[in-house]
Amino acid sequence: DTAVSQTPKYLVTQMGNDKSIKCEQNLGHDTMYWYKQDSKKFLKIMFSYNNKELIINETVPNRFSPKSPDKAHLNLHINSLELGDSAVYFCASSSQGTDTQYFGPGTRLTVL
Amino acid sequence: ELKVEQNPLFLSMQEGKNYTIYCNYSTTSDRLYWYRQDPGKSLESLFVLLSNGAVKQEGRLMASLDTKARLSTLHITAAVHDLSATYFCAVDQLRTDKLIFGTGTRLQVFP
Repeated sequence: DTAVSQTPKYLVTQMGNDKSIKCEQNLGHDTMYWYKQDSKKFLKIMFSYNNKELIINETVPNRFSPKSPDKAHLNLHINSLELGDSAVYFCASSSQGTDTQYFGPGTRLTVL
Repeated sequence: ELKVEQNPLFLSMQEGKNYTIYCNYSTTSDRLYWYRQDPGKSLESLFVLLSNGAVKQEGRLMASLDTKARLSTLHITAAVHDLSATYFCAVDQLRTDKLIFGTGTRLQVFP
């Protein structure tokens, strides 16, 4: 009965590769998010989607492209991976206008 | 731009003691959240504070919000080892669902 799930949990790849992270929520929420947590544990929002529409698009390199095929899924595709992309990426979801954002388990991305 | 600061960044405390973590933010907001993160784990929602003067308590943790001072506190009463974790506050910028997180406070409780 997982609420927000992400795959994969770990991702190790070489610089220059392209990779995707998938996120699914079964909470019936209409808004989903991607956050990046760096090595110092600092959390920063990257994107949010509401009912498949992009709402928040922070200053993120355009190598990062979110895609929401439906309101229960939000994927993150990263092109031409760089060393600085190494981080933990968290997906989250909420109902718009209400309170808590629920976070997924995270995907630890390591770029070699 | 909204900035959120927490202090202390690191807190080492003995079991049974009380302490407070502070969360200051730079622009007007009336929606503040506290999360807990265990090492290598996800973020767990602890409290949602939605108005000035809001106070919520769960077990040994109590959170409060003063929107006029732009300050929230997380008070720990009679700490136990199980409370060891990193605690984050987050502020909703202008009710946009865009959470701006504080730097986190790493709490370590020892016997």
